[in-house]
Amino acid sequence: TQLLEQSPQFLSIQEGENLTVYCNSSSVFSSLQWYRQEPGEGPVLLVTVVTGGEVKKLKRLTFQFGDARKDSSLHITAAQPGDTGLYLCAGPRGGGGNKLTFGTGTQLKVEL
Amino acid sequence: DTAVSQTPKYLVTQMGNDKSIKCEQNLGHDTMYWYKQDSKKFLKIMFSYNNKELIINETVPNRFSPKSPDKAHLNLHINSLELGDSAVYFCASSQDGGGQPQHFGDGTRLSIL
Repeated sequence: TQLLEQSPQFLSIQEGENLTVYCNSSSVFSSLQWYRQEPGEGPVLLVTVVTGGEVKKLKRLTFQFGDARKDSSLHITAAQPGDTGLYLCAGPRGGGGNKLTFGTGTQLKVEL
Repeated sequence: DTAVSQTPKYLVTQMGNDKSIKCEQNLGHDTMYWYKQDSKKFLKIMFSYNNKELIINETVPNRFSPKSPDKAHLNLHINSLELGDSAVYFCASSQDGGGQPQHFGDGTRLSIL
């Protein structure tokens, strides 16, 4: 079974601080996706990383895919209240098919 | 324009009742999904349909029956609702399968009294 463990599970920080969220697995994934879910809404795709070692930037968010394609991280610089939400990593399951395995989630709260 | 829309947004009902949730996508995608998100926010896939055909049934009780009249719609009917069915149910779609990025609806919060 391909599991994606995220850490930390909860994170509460002040505006302006930096943070990193981790997504780890013992299995290799062909790619990993990151989503953000705000209260009362569905998850929204932020980025997809495909190549081992790849780094992608989305404004203040930096996403990295591990060299071995077993892990990924999301770093947020100078967090803002608008970054508050549930961050989910997800990867396609092995063996083909349509399934995405979702991570356990990181609930981020950024306070003024 | 809403890409993936599901109705109703809230559903409060008694144990033992039967209820349906509807989902429609206007993205032209071939694959649609139903997910259940529990109180710990874990998102678990229930069903996947590709072009109206069932692809994934992830060990879901047969009280749950998906129906896809066409590739733009995937509805979920639940019989004999139980307390443990309380959760947020999300519909999603993707261009095709194979773990492509998914577009989600805003969810249906189901509460069983």
